[in-house]
Amino acid sequence: GAVVSQHPSWVICKSGTSVKIECRSLDFQATTMFWYRQFPKQSLMLMATSNEGSKATYEQGVEKDKFLINHASLTLSTLTVTSAHPEDSSFYICSGSAGGSYNEQFFGPGTRLTVL
Amino acid sequence: AQSVTQLDSQVPVFEEAPVELRCNYSSSVSVYLFWYVQYPNQGLQLLLKYLSGSTLVESINGFEAEFNKSQTSFHLRKPSVHISDTAEYFCAVSVRSGNKLTFGGGTRVLVKP
Repeated sequence: GAVVSQHPSWVICKSGTSVKIECRSLDFQATTMFWYRQFPKQSLMLMATSNEGSKATYEQGVEKDKFLINHASLTLSTLTVTSAHPEDSSFYICSGSAGGSYNEQFFGPGTRLTVL
Repeated sequence: AQSVTQLDSQVPVFEEAPVELRCNYSSSVSVYLFWYVQYPNQGLQLLLKYLSGSTLVESINGFEAEFNKSQTSFHLRKPSVHISDTAEYFCAVSVRSGNKLTFGGGTRVLVKP
């Protein structure tokens, strides 16, 4: 299957700082990328959907000014958590889709963010 | 809107015993159905999917799931589990005309020796 990578795999930052997470599709062109958030022992919650070259579409309740998403190329999307606070600590997972018959999503390994 | 309910949050099971993970969904339109597996501190891996055709779908590692339209269910089964099957399992749906996945709450399977 297609491979998606995330960097970094884990990050610790101080409250008030910004953190950028990269999501790359390594062997396919991801026309659409998705960002999810997962709290411990909970399910994945979709944060936003981004299409290459377009502004991201955020789910209800997700602050677009706090979670900045950029999808500048068909292989790279970034999520920037601005002015991070301890409540932003979570596991962030991205996925990419090349479209196709059922828009299969290929998931990255996730990034664990801890805000002190 | 779609919703997915996984009735069991945790399922302890002994090695070589069978396991069934229940998944029910709600949707006013036709959907695709998926099961994903997540090992600790990792992303999701697709286990199997139902798109159309035969209602029984199988994975390469012994799991199978059956789509039941009348009961709006997509239960996952394995006749004999291994220690390595210890993981979190997520059921998900997407509408046929869209690209978003809606996930269930997950079922944590703990295989005991």
